Amino acid sequence: AQRVTQPEKLLSVFKGAPVELKCNYSYSGSPELFWYVQYSRQRLQLLLRHISRESIKGFTADLNKGETSFHLKKPFAQEEDSAMYYCARKAAGNKLTFGGGTRVLVKP
Amino acid sequence: DTGVSQDPRHKITKRGQNVTFRCDPISEHNRLYWYRQTLGQGPEFLTYFQNEAQLEKSRLLSDRFSAERPKGSFSTLEIQRTEQGDSAMYLCASSLLYGTVKSSGNTIYFGEGSWLTVV
Repeated sequence: AQRVTQPEKLLSVFKGAPVELKCNYSYSGSPELFWYVQYSRQRLQLLLRHISRESIKGFTADLNKGETSFHLKKPFAQEEDSAMYYCARKAAGNKLTFGGGTRVLVKP
Repeated sequence: DTGVSQDPRHKITKRGQNVTFRCDPISEHNRLYWYRQTLGQGPEFLTYFQNEAQLEKSRLLSDRFSAERPKGSFSTLEIQRTEQGDSAMYLCASSLLYGTVKSSGNTIYFGEGSWLTVV
């Protein structure tokens, strides 16, 4: 079965510090990976997808097939980045397999 | 708001009762998904529809659960004879069937979820 692992339940950083959220997936073919974010009292929304190779809100994520990882990074965290972050992998039928999530708390 | 909408947002029910959740997807989205999320966990896939056809059901979807999408638009998720273990957030999502790999055409959009508490 495809698995997505987010080893950190909570990341607490100070404003302006770098933040890196780890995501590892079980190897199977060519994965299509995503990061979703959920801000307080808002719905789950797409942050970025690896295939687009884009930077959204200062976040980037690189797919490393050798390490089967898709870590999310931002060099300078902002208070508005405080949220739950979920790494997800697309499976057949366009459905998603999610990791357990990482709560990011950015302190002033 | 033209996003995915779910109703009710919160439901408290006694064990053994039946509950039904409704999901209205984004207009013209032909795929509709149901997920379940418990505290401290990521969403888990339950089932999905392409138009009115239910194409896949997770092993998480026991016989007490049934989902329908009769006209290929809104969907309902019914849980019969609820158990305390059914307490969770039930998330609905929708997407288009087609989209280029690099476009956002098949992005999955989520609703705000329906919280179920079984007492």
